[in-house]
Amino acid sequence: KAGVTQTPRYLIKTRGQQVTLSCSPISGHRSVSWYQQTPGQGLQFLFEYFSETQRNKGNFPGRFSGRQFSNSRSEMNVSTLELGDSALYLCASGDQQETDTQYFGPGTRLTVL
Amino acid sequence: GENVEQHPSTLSVQEGDSAVIKCTYSDSASNYFPWYKQELGKRPQLIIDIRSNVGEKKDQRIAVTLNKTAKHFSLHITETQPEDSAVYFCAASIRSASKIIFGSGTRLSIRP
Repeated sequence: KAGVTQTPRYLIKTRGQQVTLSCSPISGHRSVSWYQQTPGQGLQFLFEYFSETQRNKGNFPGRFSGRQFSNSRSEMNVSTLELGDSALYLCASGDQQETDTQYFGPGTRLTVL
Repeated sequence: GENVEQHPSTLSVQEGDSAVIKCTYSDSASNYFPWYKQELGKRPQLIIDIRSNVGEKKDQRIAVTLNKTAKHFSLHITETQPEDSAVYFCAASIRSASKIIFGSGTRLSIRP
């Protein structure tokens, strides 16, 4: 099976703009989670979707939102970008049927200038 | 709230020696504990995991132990090799909560 894919891989934006990141899970996986990775804060949980429903979310402001489509692909949106949003955004997929194992995508490196 | 503490933040060991990374979690309902390895510029990769109904699990040179009473779990790497150099993350999750909390990571360096 093909692994988790994320697009774009790199993105440069300026403060105040918004951005949409995309994640395609492993075929058959219905759970998609999003994480923000920064050198100082490690891996921070953003939210998790399963069958188009957000089941849990982390402690991030409302500027961070997401959704999941019927084919399990997920998008994450960040509005009114701030310098501190510069990070590697990782998504992970899981089948959630027999295991909690998550498989990570390569990430999208977002730079906010 | 849920929290996972990981120690040490950096670890340097001689090639061939063992390395141990320790984590503690706060939520006693946690029942799944994966460990991920992230090499520079790459995605985190699952290397081993353990569930709350098991005290120890081993896979070749890697082992994980879990002490539910103390809410501690540890990663043990024996006979370390240069390719073990990476950042290692522990994590804890509650399956019903669909949320995984990661530790802050340990940068492991293997000295030749």
